[in-house]
Amino acid sequence: GQQLNQSPQSMFIQEGEDVSMNCTSSSIFNTWLWYKQDPGEGPVLLIALYKAGELTSNGRLTAQFGITRKDSFLNISASIPSDVGIYFCAGSNYGGSQGNLIFGKGTKLSVKP
Amino acid sequence: DGGITQSPKYLFRKEGQNVTLSCEQNLNHDAMYWYRQDPGQGLRLIYYSQIVNDFQKGDIAEGYSVSREKKESFPLTVTSAQKNPTAFYLCASAGATYNEQFFGPGTRLTVL
Repeated sequence: GQQLNQSPQSMFIQEGEDVSMNCTSSSIFNTWLWYKQDPGEGPVLLIALYKAGELTSNGRLTAQFGITRKDSFLNISASIPSDVGIYFCAGSNYGGSQGNLIFGKGTKLSVKP
Repeated sequence: DGGITQSPKYLFRKEGQNVTLSCEQNLNHDAMYWYRQDPGQGLRLIYYSQIVNDFQKGDIAEGYSVSREKKESFPLTVTSAQKNPTAFYLCASAGATYNEQFFGPGTRLTVL
């Protein structure tokens, strides 16, 4: 099945640093979602984006829906140890099976105190 | 307390045995999904159901079966035909906006 290209694959940063990660696709999407997964747990929805160019924040997290509808970015400002985990992007289109999510392979974030 | 529950958290089975993973939701969501996650991989869709008594194959349905007799429940059976069943299995559900899927805590299946 189709997959998104998510980068970087992993990041090792110092507490307090800002983080950026992105997803790109060869297909356009109507929706971009960002999830965070803690070890051994299910992913938790962080941000949902529904309009090209949309910029949405959730606390220290900011995500953008690329203007071409083929990419999305997630930024985390002033990272803290509990930001550790795997971040997944997901894209989809509306309606029926097209509403199914296509997931990236994830960005594993490690934060040094 | 609304949410999605999966049980058990850890499951061990002998090779050649069928095993059923439970997924229940009390969010009144119409759509439910099963994903498989392997280390270093994204989530791969096994089966999904958008309405009771109807379900569709995802990208990797071979060796798996599901049923959707009730809106709240979407059990997944891993059959002996699945060649590499050891994995982390995630169930999700979605409401009116299909795109926003909410996940359960997962079941880690180990086949010995």
